[in-house]
Amino acid sequence: GENVEQHPSTLSVQEGDSAVIKCTYSDSASNYFPWYKQELGKRPQLIIDIRSNVGEKKDQRIAVTLNKTAKHFSLHITETQPEDSAVYFCAASRWDSNYQLIWGAGTKLIIKP
Amino acid sequence: EAQVTQNPRYLITVTGKKLTVTCSQNMNHEYMSWYRQDPGLGLRQIYYSMNVEVTDKGDVPEGYKVSRKEKRNFPLILESPSPNQTSLYFCASSTGAQAYEQYFGPGTRLTVT
Repeated sequence: GENVEQHPSTLSVQEGDSAVIKCTYSDSASNYFPWYKQELGKRPQLIIDIRSNVGEKKDQRIAVTLNKTAKHFSLHITETQPEDSAVYFCAASRWDSNYQLIWGAGTKLIIKP
Repeated sequence: EAQVTQNPRYLITVTGKKLTVTCSQNMNHEYMSWYRQDPGLGLRQIYYSMNVEVTDKGDVPEGYKVSRKEKRNFPLILESPSPNQTSLYFCASSTGAQAYEQYFGPGTRLTVT
């Protein structure tokens, strides 16, 4: 079955710098890759997702890139701000079936002032 | 307001005492699921439901039951809770299967002593 590995588990960056979180997946048939943000004490919320027919997607300061050959996808946050401090989860699934979302273990992002 | 609600938000109980955590959504979503979140393990799916009367096991179904008698409700039942079920539980819903935005409830913090 699918397995998703997420790195690093903790990432500390200076405010204003960029942050990159990487996930690798094992099932080459996976074709849907969302990223969720969970602030302390809150519920996870979708921030961006990508399907395998595109290699990159951007939404303001957030971007996701997908390398299908290497089976990895990454979240890029530019010009980090204090409100970006949270735990970020990646996930992978096959959208054309009932296959479940398989989640990474999460990355705690700390933005240093 | 479109939302997923869970009750109770916090629960402390004793081993073996049956409990139910309710989940309700008002978005007419077909798909609902339950997750547990434990430190370092990310989100693990317990059960999911593609529609009324259709449920299936996720990654960690042992010790849990679910039912989907109505589209809006998806209760999680622990027939005989044990301390290893102490966790943070999230209900989620989406318009379709796994490849759509998951809307999470606020979470239920369960402690089994």
